[in-house]
Amino acid sequence: GAVVSQHPSRVICKSGTSVKIECRSLDFQATTMFWYRQFPKQSLMLMATSNEGSKATYEQGVEKDKFLINHASLTLSTLTVTSAHPEDSSFYICSARDPGGISQQYFGPGTRLTVT
Amino acid sequence: GENVEQHPSTLSVQEGDSAVIKCTYSDSASNYFPWYKQELGKRPQLIIDIRSNVGEKKDQRIAVTLNKTAKHFSLHITETQPEDSAVYFCAARSDTGRRALTFGSGTRLQVQP
Repeated sequence: GAVVSQHPSRVICKSGTSVKIECRSLDFQATTMFWYRQFPKQSLMLMATSNEGSKATYEQGVEKDKFLINHASLTLSTLTVTSAHPEDSSFYICSARDPGGISQQYFGPGTRLTVT
Repeated sequence: GENVEQHPSTLSVQEGDSAVIKCTYSDSASNYFPWYKQELGKRPQLIIDIRSNVGEKKDQRIAVTLNKTAKHFSLHITETQPEDSAVYFCAARSDTGRRALTFGSGTRLQVQP
């Protein structure tokens, strides 16, 4: 199947700093990528839909000024957590749809963010 | 928007028994229903999916059934093995709008050897 990579896999940062997470589709072009957040023992919650060449669409309750999304190319979307706080500590997972495929979304390996 | 409910939240079975996980969805426009298996700290892995024009799909020990009228879909695992132990998520998506997956709350399956 298609491959989606995510970097870094783990990051620890201090409260008040910003962290950038990269999501790449390695063998297909993704006009749309999705960012999910998963707290321990909970489900994946959609944060935003990242659209290549246009603004991201954020889900209700997700602060767009805090979670900056950039989708500058067909293979790369970035999520920047600005002014991180301990409550932002979570598992962040991106996914991408292969427009050439029928339905499947491919998930990145996730990024474990810990804010101290 | 879409709302997906999943039951049970935990399920413990003996090795060799069957396991059934059920989900309901709210958006009649949803037409794609995947099931994912997630191990601790890992990405969700697609194990089976079904589209709304099909009522049942089977892949070896795993099957999914869909009742579009009742907006129910279920995952069936037969002859369970200890390595089936994981968290399973159902999801739903339509081909209109943002086309993002909406996930159920998850089921922690424990297969006792």
